[in-house]
Amino acid sequence: DTGVSQNPRHKITKRGQNVTFRCDPISEHNRLYWYRQTLGQGPEFLTYFQNEAQLEKSRLLSDRFSAERPKGSFSTLEIQRTEQGDSAMYLCASSSKFETGSNEKLFFGSGTQLSVL
Amino acid sequence: AQSVTQLDSHVSVSEGTPVLLRCNYSSSYSPSLFWYVQHPNKGLQLLLKYTSAATLVKGINGFEAEFKKSETSFHLTKPSAHMSDAAEYFCVVSGRTGGFKTIFGAGTRLFVKA
Repeated sequence: DTGVSQNPRHKITKRGQNVTFRCDPISEHNRLYWYRQTLGQGPEFLTYFQNEAQLEKSRLLSDRFSAERPKGSFSTLEIQRTEQGDSAMYLCASSSKFETGSNEKLFFGSGTQLSVL
Repeated sequence: AQSVTQLDSHVSVSEGTPVLLRCNYSSSYSPSLFWYVQHPNKGLQLLLKYTSAATLVKGINGFEAEFKKSETSFHLTKPSAHMSDAAEYFCVVSGRTGGFKTIFGAGTRLFVKA
């Protein structure tokens, strides 16, 4: 068990460019979450997958954001036409199918820090 | 609806003195409550969780938290601070349906002075 892995750790891009982040959850964790954390704030929920199905999306997730988890393992988060307001830490978390509801425990990756110039 | 408020944006203590990080919550039903810690350049790590069993919850690294329903509080404490405790701490409330209803507080930055 190597924990949740996120790549890249840092991404600097120019406004208007597209970026893609990758998350590898703990193996056999069937649930995967994306959060966004801005400076001085706690993480905010963006979207959630159970296996390959995207079951929930926050209103924070504009049309420029898309997330996939094609084989129910790793996930990607793409931001198109980036804006300066997209600058944030993007966190991925996963949880086990054996812990549900109030027993669910989230395991977080170290995040991808996005800077949009 | 659920919400969580961390009452201090930053707390400064001396090494060896007690730590108190305050958290109030709001929930229309019995919540699950968590404390996470975030060290620089590291992922969020679960310190402890409350899920309606014992009201005093013990976590890792000597931290504990007490659930007080009458005060809607879930404060995090540690008897004696260590330099390695310096980090950002998040109080978290989660609904019965689990992670996607998880709401994080704004965080409390803990500074530990030598």
